[in-house]
Amino acid sequence: EPEVTQTPSHQVTQMGQEVILRCVPISNHLYFYWYRQILGQKVEFLVSFYNNEISEKSEIFDDQFSVERPDGSNFTLKIRSTKLEDSAMYFCASSGTLAGQETQYFGPGTRLLVL
Amino acid sequence: AQSVTQLDSHVSVSEGTPVLLRCNYSSSYSPSLFWYVQHPNKGLQLLLKYTSAATLVKGINGFEAEFKKSETSFHLTKPSAHMSDAAEYFCVVSGSGGSYIPTFGRGTSLIVHP
Repeated sequence: EPEVTQTPSHQVTQMGQEVILRCVPISNHLYFYWYRQILGQKVEFLVSFYNNEISEKSEIFDDQFSVERPDGSNFTLKIRSTKLEDSAMYFCASSGTLAGQETQYFGPGTRLLVL
Repeated sequence: AQSVTQLDSHVSVSEGTPVLLRCNYSSSYSPSLFWYVQHPNKGLQLLLKYTSAATLVKGINGFEAEFKKSETSFHLTKPSAHMSDAAEYFCVVSGSGGSYIPTFGRGTSLIVHP
């Protein structure tokens, strides 16, 4: 069964450093998403991406964040200058369509720790 | 606006006994509702979803959920718990007001005792 993959599984970085989290969505999907889950809190939507541009973003997704689909398979989330509060599990997801009832398939997540 | 409340942060059952994980939602329109499961160090896996068809939805691994509009609930049940069911479960609502952005509940940790 096709699945979403994410690398790395864990990343430790120093405050102020840039990090890039990588995702490979399911190959025939067109819509891509990033979510985060701070320890002990809810999963929160960050951004959605379609046709090489951001479709929607939450207030969490400020200028420190950016997304990119650099080639036909990868989907990346960049945090320009990490803060302590960026420590969280980051999930990538993809779906075939954008409808609210469409299932989003999630990757296993990248656990980011900012020191 | 839409929201989800998972009423229990932890549920503990014995193997072989029924499971009930509670979820209430708030939505301006007829929502789509999902249950996801997350095993340790794994991604979120879809268990089942409700999208305005049958109100009783059957999912994988013997789980099912019933959409009750009058109670704004979408509780997840399983007749007999298995040790492998121990995981974190998330109730999710989306599609409210045409938005596809899902709103997650806080999650319920299911503990299964031998």
